[in-house]
Amino acid sequence: DTEVTQTPKHLVMGMTNKKSLKCEQHMGHRAMYWYKQKAKKPPELMFVYSYEKLSINESVPSRFSPECPNSSLLNLHLHALQPEDSALYLCASSQDSGRDAGELFFGEGSRLTVL
Amino acid sequence: GQSLEQPSEVTAVEGAIVQINCTYQTSGFYGLSWYQQHDGGAPTFLSYNALDGLEETGRFSSFLSRSDSYGYLLLQELQMKDSASYFCAFDTGGFKTIFGAGTRLFVKA
Repeated sequence: DTEVTQTPKHLVMGMTNKKSLKCEQHMGHRAMYWYKQKAKKPPELMFVYSYEKLSINESVPSRFSPECPNSSLLNLHLHALQPEDSALYLCASSQDSGRDAGELFFGEGSRLTVL
Repeated sequence: GQSLEQPSEVTAVEGAIVQINCTYQTSGFYGLSWYQQHDGGAPTFLSYNALDGLEETGRFSSFLSRSDSYGYLLLQELQMKDSASYFCAFDTGGFKTIFGAGTRLFVKA
């Protein structure tokens, strides 16, 4: 199983809503990532979890709150978002060390629209 | 600072060979990777170079020169389905992978 599964695929929310994006992988990877991608732009790193601990936060606003309940699951909790937060949110995973740590496996993404 | 530069667009004909160059600047460098992304899809890993030299995977090859902070992706026997965006990315260690702006490849019949 070489898949990273993300739900929901599409999400529309108002600025006062609270919602969550979910990500799951069963490849035994111990590093999991959230990236944000705007149209015609590269993925931008938001958060990295290594061994279920937050290891990187790229100065992301607190209205985005990541959570890693276990080694297979990664959530991104959303609250009080702004319309400019509308984007494709990509989850990825990788090996924790060695050459293969350079290979990121991406999910299909959750396309978020904030009204 | 940390940055990568790659051409914004490349056009080539079916069956041809195309090279997408990438130069980078970073204080910490572990390796250079390449990803393909079709419109509406997710990035898909193509290759990773940690050491200088050429890595070949089927129709795709990737090259790295650490001393020149330079790499390229070579696509041979181009097919229409190769039309996509191609991103070079470096990882600085500690799970931090930074992507370049991407190169849109258009393959013409």
